[in-house]
Amino acid sequence: EAGVAQSPRYKIIEKRQSVAFWCNPISGHATLYWYQQILGQGPKLLIQFQNNGVVDDSQLPKDRFSAERLKGVDSTLKIQPAKLEDSAVYLCASKLLAGAFDEQFFGPGTRLTVL
Amino acid sequence: GQQLNQSPQSMFIQEGEDVSMNCTSSSIFNTWLWYKQEPGEGPVLLIALYKAGELTSNGRLTAQFGITRKDSFLNISASIPSDVGIYFCAGNDGGTSYGKLTFGQGTILTVHP
Repeated sequence: EAGVAQSPRYKIIEKRQSVAFWCNPISGHATLYWYQQILGQGPKLLIQFQNNGVVDDSQLPKDRFSAERLKGVDSTLKIQPAKLEDSAVYLCASKLLAGAFDEQFFGPGTRLTVL
Repeated sequence: GQQLNQSPQSMFIQEGEDVSMNCTSSSIFNTWLWYKQEPGEGPVLLIALYKAGELTSNGRLTAQFGITRKDSFLNISASIPSDVGIYFCAGNDGGTSYGKLTFGQGTILTVHP
């Protein structure tokens, strides 16, 4: 079974530029998450989708971050404009069930460096 | 918001030694999980705990869900070089978001052969 795919793996941009990350979850997984992991910290949830609807985006900085999951499959996370403090690894995770607790599977992440 | 305090922050041990790390919370969690993350990869689930007082093993790993539901422990016995990585605890409070996890800061484990 293929795992969670993310691209690109690395991205370097200058502050005030825009950037987008892509995630393809495990086939059939209803729930998709985007996490931000700053160096030396644990992952922090940014947004959770159930199918193509947003369940929780309380920690998403909505003035600059946006995310969508069209057709309830793959997802994109965008930052516009980027700030220095956005330098982090952006992890995507998915899980099979929508309305119950089960294991989340993480992708390898996209490492963003903002100069 | 919820916070998890994980300790120690880092450990340097010799191959064959046992390792213990713990995680405490200011609030109650219904589920505790332990993950391992290696460089360039996402976290991988090691052990999940669903009941207060539960003790669960996975090979050389043993984890416990604290009775107060505010803490959890992970032990690794007879460490080997491939145990190197960052270990994270995570908790789920059972809210309506089903699966929202709060992570600790991580414990960096280095094993010297």
